[in-house]
Amino acid sequence: EPEVTQTPSHQVTQMGQEVILRCVPISNHLYFYWYRQILGQKVEFLVSFYNNEISEKSEIFDDQFSVERPDGSNFTLKIRSTKLEDSAMYFCASSELEGTEAFFGQGTRLTVV
Amino acid sequence: AQKITQTQPGMFVQEKEAVTLDCTYDTSDQSYGLFWYKQPSSGEMIFLIYQGSYDEQNATEGRYSLNFQKARKSANLVISASQLGDSAMYFCALEIGGTSYGKLTFGQGTILTVHP
Repeated sequence: EPEVTQTPSHQVTQMGQEVILRCVPISNHLYFYWYRQILGQKVEFLVSFYNNEISEKSEIFDDQFSVERPDGSNFTLKIRSTKLEDSAMYFCASSELEGTEAFFGQGTRLTVV
Repeated sequence: AQKITQTQPGMFVQEKEAVTLDCTYDTSDQSYGLFWYKQPSSGEMIFLIYQGSYDEQNATEGRYSLNFQKARKSANLVISASQLGDSAMYFCALEIGGTSYGKLTFGQGTILTVHP
């Protein structure tokens, strides 16, 4: 069964460092998303991406965040200068069409120390 | 602004019994969708069921059904014949149609514990 794949599963980084979280969405999906979940809290929308551009972003998605689809299969989230409060589980998701269910990856747990 | 509320921080159910997880939402949009996701202790988010605002029938997927009461703005998840593997966090999520497809607003979640 097709699935969204995220790497790495866990990343530890020093405050101020750049991190890139990687995702391989389901191959025929056209819409891609990043969400995050701070430990013990609810899942929060970060950004949606379609046709090689950002469709919508939340107030959390400030200038230190960026997304890219560098090739036909990968979808990345970059955090330029990590802060302690960026520690969270980051989920990538994809959906085939607008208004259809989004399938989530297993998440990348980011720990900023 | 959209809002989604899950008022039950935790629920307990006996194996093989049915359980209802509550979810209420608030939106002024006419076109929207409601989703339920399961998050086991391993952390991944598993899609369970979807209900569109214009769907007249309540959605069902195997042991999961969605009790959609549009006038009350509620979209409760019913799990029939609970299994030990159903123990997890459950999130209700709202998606507004039009330009905000894909932007899910999640509730706070309900931790379900299934007892043998």
